[in-house]
Amino acid sequence: KAGVTQTPRYLIKTRGQQVTLSCSPISGHRSVSWYQQTPGQGLQFLFEYFSETQRNKGNFPGRFSGRQFSNSRSEMNVSTLELGDSALYLCASSYAGGGTDTQYFGPGTRLTVL
Amino acid sequence: GQNIDQPTEMTATEGAIVQINCTYQTSGFNGLFWYQQHAGEAPTFLSYNVLDGLEEKGRFSSFLSRSKGYSYLLLKELQMKDSASYLCAVIDSNYQLIWGAGTKLIIKP
Repeated sequence: KAGVTQTPRYLIKTRGQQVTLSCSPISGHRSVSWYQQTPGQGLQFLFEYFSETQRNKGNFPGRFSGRQFSNSRSEMNVSTLELGDSALYLCASSYAGGGTDTQYFGPGTRLTVL
Repeated sequence: GQNIDQPTEMTATEGAIVQINCTYQTSGFNGLFWYQQHAGEAPTFLSYNVLDGLEEKGRFSSFLSRSKGYSYLLLKELQMKDSASYLCAVIDSNYQLIWGAGTKLIIKP
């Protein structure tokens, strides 16, 4: 069974630009969660999608948005990039989500904002 | 606010035993996960505790005390490949995962 894939793996952008990250979950998984990981801060929850609906959202500004398609693939968009958005963005898939389901993580997208 | 505390870094010797602690203060509790993350790689699932007590899985065990807001991960017969970060995450009352900053474990020969 193929694992969670994320594209691109690395990205360099400048302040003010916008970026779209993609995540393909494990086949059969309907929940996709997105996290931001920075050194010393741990994983910060962005949002969770289940069957194309946002089920949960963390405390991030509206510049961070996402969506999920009918095939469970998900995209995350960050508009008006700031230097502080530089981080590793991880997505995780699970069958049912909702927090109690084991999550399987992708390798992440390393975003650098200059 | 919600808070998960783990030591930032620990060092242990190959073949020894190490215990990584995690204390939490969250709005509600619906379970606790431990994940392992090697440098530059994705986190991978290690264990899940929802009831008090010890869960053993090979060389790794995880303990939970809900009344104390406390968990630990016990690693036995340490191997060099166990050098990684260990992440503790609590499911709160909204079924959101709250993550600790992780403990970097360094194994020395």
